[in-house]
Amino acid sequence: GQQLNQSPQSMFIQEGEDVSMNCTSSSIFNTWLWYKQDPGEGPVLLIALYKAGELTSNGRLTAQFGITRKDSFLNISASIPSDVGIYFCAGQLAGNQFYFGTGTSLTVIP
Amino acid sequence: NAGVTQTPKFQVLKTGQSMTLQCAQDMNHEYMSWYRQDPGMGLRLIHYSVGAGITDQGEVPNGYNVSRSTTEDFPLRLLSAAPSQTSVYFCASSYSSPAGLQETQYFGPGTRLLVL
Repeated sequence: GQQLNQSPQSMFIQEGEDVSMNCTSSSIFNTWLWYKQDPGEGPVLLIALYKAGELTSNGRLTAQFGITRKDSFLNISASIPSDVGIYFCAGQLAGNQFYFGTGTSLTVIP
Repeated sequence: NAGVTQTPKFQVLKTGQSMTLQCAQDMNHEYMSWYRQDPGMGLRLIHYSVGAGITDQGEVPNGYNVSRSTTEDFPLRLLSAAPSQTSVYFCASSYSSPAGLQETQYFGPGTRLLVL
């Protein structure tokens, strides 16, 4: 299957700090998605990116679709305790085939 | 509008037992998928369906069967459970845009399965 390399694997930050995580692949994707998963819940979509170079914001979250279409990053500004969770990137090649990264576990220290 | 629902939430099976994980959506989505989530592995696609009567294999299909008799329902069957199938299973559904590209997916709450 496709390999999506997501980094970092985990982050421990102070409340108020900015966060940056990224996802890279050897394949070219048509769509990049970023999800957040809380314990015991399914992933919830944060941001969807459809075009190379696209920069999209959702509140304090900003994500970009890399120009090469092989990478994407997610930034969270001014982190708050409820940002805690696991963040997943996902890439879509064609049809219904989505491939997920291994996740970034975020801990926010009040 | 309940979104994507999954039952049961938890299940314990013995090796060799069979069971069906249920998934239903009320959003009239064409696409439905099953994933499994294991520690450190992210989510991996098991099977998917592009519409009623049509299914296809994903990345890790072995040991699982699916069917799609209606738009709303997409059950996942384990015919003979094995310990390696201990995992959290997520069902997802999504629209299809006029261009044919898959729109974003909505996930159910998951089924936690333990096979002894």
